[in-house]
Amino acid sequence: DAGVIQSPRHEVTEMGQEVTLRCKPISGHNSLFWYRQTMMRGLELLIYFNNNVPIDDSGMPEDRFSAKMPNASFSTLKIQPSEPRDSAVYFCASSLWGARAEAFFGQGTRLTVV
Amino acid sequence: DAKTTQPNSMESNEEEPVHLPCNHSTISGTDYIHWYRQLPSQGPEYVIHGLTSNVNNRMASLAIAEDRKSSTLILHRATLRDAAVYYCMNLKAAGNKLTFGGGTRVLVKP
Repeated sequence: DAGVIQSPRHEVTEMGQEVTLRCKPISGHNSLFWYRQTMMRGLELLIYFNNNVPIDDSGMPEDRFSAKMPNASFSTLKIQPSEPRDSAVYFCASSLWGARAEAFFGQGTRLTVV
Repeated sequence: DAKTTQPNSMESNEEEPVHLPCNHSTISGTDYIHWYRQLPSQGPEYVIHGLTSNVNNRMASLAIAEDRKSSTLILHRATLRDAAVYYCMNLKAAGNKLTFGGGTRVLVKP
């Protein structure tokens, strides 16, 4: 397996524009996580899914952020409208369900909002 | 969410062991202890996990205190490639909500 695949790797957009980040989890994994990482706030869990259903979205910062998982092999994180403070590295991870499971992370998407 | 406490940073010499402590003051009886690390410019990667007994794998060893209020990640012979931020966390047995604290930044000197 190629691991967790995120696209794009880098995204530069203007304030106010819509941004969509994409993630393909490892085949067979039933849990998917979205994280945001900044120097100031570290790694923040935004939302996670189990069997394509959002389990906990308490980390989503505001209504401008939304995440979907239409099927087991694809998820999106959308920011609309984007703001400069959304600039960060966004990671997607997948795992099997359960506290003994190992999570695998993608390479991340570096988002810059100007 | 259960909180863990780690030192901000540690230094080690290459080829020497590194012992990374973690306090799990609010851990419950069925929580698993996990460790991840993040190399520069990469996503986090799994290192090791355990429940009560000490654990070994190809990357590291995990020593868990008898009362489970603390754990220690042991890198037996640090290499320059082990320079990373190391995170410990508690995972509820009924789920897998993986939340990261500040971690310990490990610097390995040649």
